[in-house]
Amino acid sequence: EAGVAQSPRYKIIEKRQSVAFWCNPISGHATLYWYQQILGQGPKLLIQFQNNGVVDDSQLPKDRFSAERLKGVDSTLKIQPAKLEDSAVYLCASSLGALGRPNTEAFFGQGTRLTVV
Amino acid sequence: KNEVEQSPQNLTAQEGEFITINCSYSVGISALHWLQQHPGGGIVSLFMLSSGKKKHGRLIATINIQEKHSSLHITASHPRDSAVYICAALSGSARQLTFGSGTQLTVLP
Repeated sequence: EAGVAQSPRYKIIEKRQSVAFWCNPISGHATLYWYQQILGQGPKLLIQFQNNGVVDDSQLPKDRFSAERLKGVDSTLKIQPAKLEDSAVYLCASSLGALGRPNTEAFFGQGTRLTVV
Repeated sequence: KNEVEQSPQNLTAQEGEFITINCSYSVGISALHWLQQHPGGGIVSLFMLSSGKKKHGRLIATINIQEKHSSLHITASHPRDSAVYICAALSGSARQLTFGSGTQLTVLP
């Protein structure tokens, strides 16, 4: 079974530039998550999709971050414009259904390490 | 809001040692995950448990629901076990994962 695919693996940009990350979840997984993990901290949920609808984006800085999952499969996360404090690993995860259902767990991608200089 | 605390933050061990990483959380949960993160960022799920104990190879995870505490044990540790270990609590109502800040484990040969 193919895992969660993310690209790029690494990205270095200057502050005020724009950047986009891509995620392809495991086939058939309806729920998709984007997390931000700052160095030395645990991941923090940015946005959760159920199919192509947003379930929770309460912690997404909407003035600069946006995400979409138009066809309910792939997803992109964009930052525009980037700030120095956006330097982090951006993790995508997917699950078959909503977490909390029996035997439902999240599967994580390799992450995209963003450095803003 | 669920607070998830891990200890220790950093752990250095000699190859072969028995290792324990602890995780405590503040509110009731429906499940707890133990995750392993290697340099570069990718995360692998090790265990998901809601009660008792699970074992996979040299890894053992236990959870005490009443005490709101879980432990991850590694027997006969090996340098390839060096990684960040993260616990994540799944709150029943929110159906979201709250992550601990991770434990950096280094196993020396």
